[in-house]
Amino acid sequence: DAGVIQSPRHEVTEMGQEVTLRCKPISGHDYLFWYRQTMMRGLELLIYFNNNVPIDDSGMPEDRFSAKMPNASFSTLKIQPSEPRDSAVYFCASSLDRDVRQFFGPGTRLTVL
Amino acid sequence: EDQVTQSPEALRLQEGESSSLNCSYTVSGLRGLFWYRQDPGKGPEFLFTLYSAGEEKEKERLKATLTKKESFLHITAPKPEDSATYLCGWGSGTYKYIFGTGTRLKVLA
Repeated sequence: DAGVIQSPRHEVTEMGQEVTLRCKPISGHDYLFWYRQTMMRGLELLIYFNNNVPIDDSGMPEDRFSAKMPNASFSTLKIQPSEPRDSAVYFCASSLDRDVRQFFGPGTRLTVL
Repeated sequence: EDQVTQSPEALRLQEGESSSLNCSYTVSGLRGLFWYRQDPGKGPEFLFTLYSAGEEKEKERLKATLTKKESFLHITAPKPEDSATYLCGWGSGTYKYIFGTGTRLKVLA
């Protein structure tokens, strides 16, 4: 298996623009997680899905953030409009049902100018 | 408030110099206390999950232990390739996850 796949790996955009991050989880994994990592706050859980259904989005910082999982093999995290404080590395992770071991993707480094 | 705190923030060791990383937690509904390793520019990589006080797990030069309030990651005779950031976190039965900010380990040859 190729592991969790994320795209793009790097994204540079200007304040106010829409940003869409993409994730393909490991086949057969029922849970998908989106995280944000910064030096100051570390790794923060934004939202997670179980069988394509959003379960907990309490970590989503603002209404500017939204996430979807239209099928078992694809998820998106969208920021609209983007702001400089959104600059961070965004990770997607997946796991088997009832298993705390998560498999992380390589991350997307987002820079908002 | 649920919280995970790691110490030290950074650690430099000579090759072969054993040490321990600390992870203290104040959480409710603990399902698992886990450790991940993260190399620069990469996603975290799973190391261990511990479920109950007294539990220990080992992998090569690493050993993780758990008490009711904290966990330790012991590194025995480290090598330069052990250099990485080590993340500690907590998972609940409702699949909430809280991570510490990590310990950046540098092992010098």
